[in-house]
Amino acid sequence: GAGVSQTPSNKVTEKGKYVELRCDPISGHTALYWYRQSLGQGPEFLIYFQGTGAADDSGLPNDRFFAVRPEGSVSTLKIQRTERGDSAVYLCASKIGGGNTEAFFGQGTRLTVV
Amino acid sequence: AQRVTQPEKLLSVFKGAPVELKCNYSYSGSPELFWYVQYSRQRLQLLLRHISRESIKGFTADLNKGETSFHLKKPFAQEEDSAMYYCALSSGAGSYQLTFGKGTKLSVIP
Repeated sequence: GAGVSQTPSNKVTEKGKYVELRCDPISGHTALYWYRQSLGQGPEFLIYFQGTGAADDSGLPNDRFFAVRPEGSVSTLKIQRTERGDSAVYLCASKIGGGNTEAFFGQGTRLTVV
Repeated sequence: AQRVTQPEKLLSVFKGAPVELKCNYSYSGSPELFWYVQYSRQRLQLLLRHISRESIKGFTADLNKGETSFHLKKPFAQEEDSAMYYCALSSGAGSYQLTFGKGTKLSVIP
């Protein structure tokens, strides 16, 4: 089947605007993660969903960032009042259940705030 | 707090030479360690994990708890090994989120 799909692949927005980034996990994967990767850095954890609920949002940098997964499948990462420092590649990963099973990553959305 | 350190940003080796990508970690409990690889224009993918103790594409990695290291090794580098390599740690509990190092770019010279 298809892997983790993220849309759009690239997004350019103006400072102060609102953006939504979408993640379609692998079918049947109950665990979903969002990571952010800034230039020259490894991915950094943002938020984890198990099913519909955000089980761990400790990585969200501030209250401008929010994510939902209303039906336990597709997830949307929402960023309000974007800042230039939000420019990064946003990665989504999904896996079967909890535990240390393999996480499958999407191609990422490259967000550029100008 | 958990931390992963990859001291080399870039590593260049000749084809056929041995490769060692260094990874050190900091964690108070019993972590699970992984190596992820990203080939050019491809997504991040799991290469291997310490718990399975297997060799993938000729790569191996041994967890050394005394030195808190999980170095990735391959005896003979191939051109197709050129990629970005990330060492990652999972707490083994809770959200099982991954903490990544900054990555090492491996370049294999023909």
